[in-house]
Amino acid sequence: GEDVEQSLFLSVREGDSSVINCTYTDSSSTYLYWYKQEPGAGLQLLTYIFSNMDMKQDQRLTVLLNKKDKHLSLRIADTQTGDSAIYFCAEMPSGTYKYIFGTGTRLKVLA
Amino acid sequence: DTAVSQTPKYLVTQMGNDKSIKCEQNLGHDTMYWYKQDSKKFLKIMFSYNNKELIINETVPNRFSPKSPDKAHLNLHINSLELGDSAVYFCASSSTGDSSYEQYFGPGTRLTVT
Repeated sequence: GEDVEQSLFLSVREGDSSVINCTYTDSSSTYLYWYKQEPGAGLQLLTYIFSNMDMKQDQRLTVLLNKKDKHLSLRIADTQTGDSAIYFCAEMPSGTYKYIFGTGTRLKVLA
Repeated sequence: DTAVSQTPKYLVTQMGNDKSIKCEQNLGHDTMYWYKQDSKKFLKIMFSYNNKELIINETVPNRFSPKSPDKAHLNLHINSLELGDSAVYFCASSSTGDSSYEQYFGPGTRLTVT
């Protein structure tokens, strides 16, 4: 099927690391993306990773990609209350311009 | 400067009415999208236009009709609105000339059908 799966909820304490997981469906996807959606707002692109990479680090964000298992993760170091939001992974199968979004993970950061 | 803008931000209307949502991007992108986000936050693509040509048309009732007058605009017209059309509709854009195909989203239009 076309479902990109994510856990629905994650709760962490301020200052801890958060790890959000995603299982995507199409091994041909050249790029995989992470978006953040704050309440009442649109989706904001956080980062992306090219499919020939295993890891990408961007300040507090680390993306890990396991192509064999079609597993993508986003680690947020030193999680802050401002990181509370819904996080979506997305893939775009090769040869299409169709983005397929995950089910979204609602991250709650406790002070 | 707003990159992707949508109007209106909120739309409340009665069943059976016809309404339109407008989207504009000033990023110089050649591809624009409409997404529907339901109450559970699931995000589904509806349509996509590349250089004013329809390239993605998902299984969407034909009461929904997109129109792209030029590369910078993509409008969504909805006829005979139903309760189930209540959702947040997002416009987005990207560039096929951009190797990473990053997508940029508008702020959304919350449609409530009563």
